[in-house]
Amino acid sequence: NAGVTQTPKFRVLKTGQSMTLLCAQDMNHEYMYWYRQDPGMGLRLIHYSVGEGTTAKGEVPDGYNVSRLKKQNFLLGLESAAPSQTSVYFCASSPGRMNTEAFFGQGTRLTVV
Amino acid sequence: GEDVEQSLFLSVREGDSSVINCTYTDSSSTYLYWYKQEPGAGLQLLTYIFSNMDMKQDQRLTVLLNKKDKHLSLRIADTQTGDSAIYFCAETPWYSSASKIIFGSGTRLSIRP
Repeated sequence: NAGVTQTPKFRVLKTGQSMTLLCAQDMNHEYMYWYRQDPGMGLRLIHYSVGEGTTAKGEVPDGYNVSRLKKQNFLLGLESAAPSQTSVYFCASSPGRMNTEAFFGQGTRLTVV
Repeated sequence: GEDVEQSLFLSVREGDSSVINCTYTDSSSTYLYWYKQEPGAGLQLLTYIFSNMDMKQDQRLTVLLNKKDKHLSLRIADTQTGDSAIYFCAETPWYSSASKIIFGSGTRLSIRP
């Protein structure tokens, strides 16, 4: 049982390049989330999804897009990367509304130069 | 608005108790959480408490909630080197339409021999 898997684990991008981060969960969870973690700022919610085919904006959505075409996958896209998007990105999933059983992936460290 | 605050660092001697403190502003919180993040890993739910409880104990962990002062604490008894990690306090407001979690900035716990 893999839980929540993020790919890639590391990536370096040049300013203006695009990329997609993939999150996959095998627990049949309805809810999925993308967070970014920056030093001294905790985790900030970028986008989330409450089910297949749905997405919603979180606290810091600008510069990112997401898609949830399949229940088990939640993709985070950067259309034109900027140095301010250098961060560690975490995906998480949970069965439903209450987060007592939220599971996190191991993170993707992204550097934009 | 919603805010969760923690001190950034805590250093304790091995075998002593660690107390990590957190304050929050949202009086409508339903769940309050403690997550643990080990180096290079995602967050793992350590424990949680409902907002109608004052205390929760789980082996070496004791969570205390003071609703009047909006103060949450995590006590780790007999602190071990394996407890070295970043500890995040988090809350879920009751009105959240999805499982929106608000995280603090994290407290880095280091253990002295």
